[in-house]
Amino acid sequence: GQQLNQSPQSMFIQEGEDVSMNCTSSSIFNTWLWYKQDPGEGPVLLIALYKAGELTSNGRLTAQFGTTRKDSFLNISASIPSDVGIYFCAGSETSGSRLTFGEGTQLTVNP
Amino acid sequence: NAGVTQTPKFQVLKTGQSMTLQCAQDMNHNSMYWYRQDPGMGLRLIYYSASEGTTDKGEVPNGYNVSRLNKREFSLRLESAAPSQTSVYFCASPLTGNTGELFFGEGSRLTVL
Repeated sequence: GQQLNQSPQSMFIQEGEDVSMNCTSSSIFNTWLWYKQDPGEGPVLLIALYKAGELTSNGRLTAQFGTTRKDSFLNISASIPSDVGIYFCAGSETSGSRLTFGEGTQLTVNP
Repeated sequence: NAGVTQTPKFQVLKTGQSMTLQCAQDMNHNSMYWYRQDPGMGLRLIYYSASEGTTDKGEVPNGYNVSRLNKREFSLRLESAAPSQTSVYFCASPLTGNTGELFFGEGSRLTVL
């Protein structure tokens, strides 16, 4: 089946620093999504990407759909304490097909 | 919160007991999903329902059954709980017409002793 490798598994940063994380898949995807999960809550959609090479921003967050269609990247600029949580990538091979999730990146931001 | 409602939020079971997790969505979308979340393993799909009256197995269906009662409700049943089913369970339904953009419930934390 599909596999997603997400890295890093965890990050410990200082407030104000920029953050980068990425996902790679074993097969070509036509949809990439990034979710954030706060402690004790369900994941919340941050950004959705539908075209190879697409670069999309949501406030301080920027995500890119890799040109090979086998990877995606999420960047967070000028991190703040409320950025703490688990970030998940997810992808699907075809429109409407089931999502595969990465293992998550646990982000800790020190004030 | 409008969207996806799960009950119960917490449950402790003994091995061999049965229980049903309930999920209801008010976004009027056809598809609904059940995931489990375990540390370091992300979210894994247990079962999903593309529309009322249909259900299909996901990645980890063993030990579970589901019922799509109507368009709003999708329940997950553990007939004989095992410690390996200790997990956090999430129900989800599409946020928009795109089935990939999921809205998740708050989760049900299940412990099997």
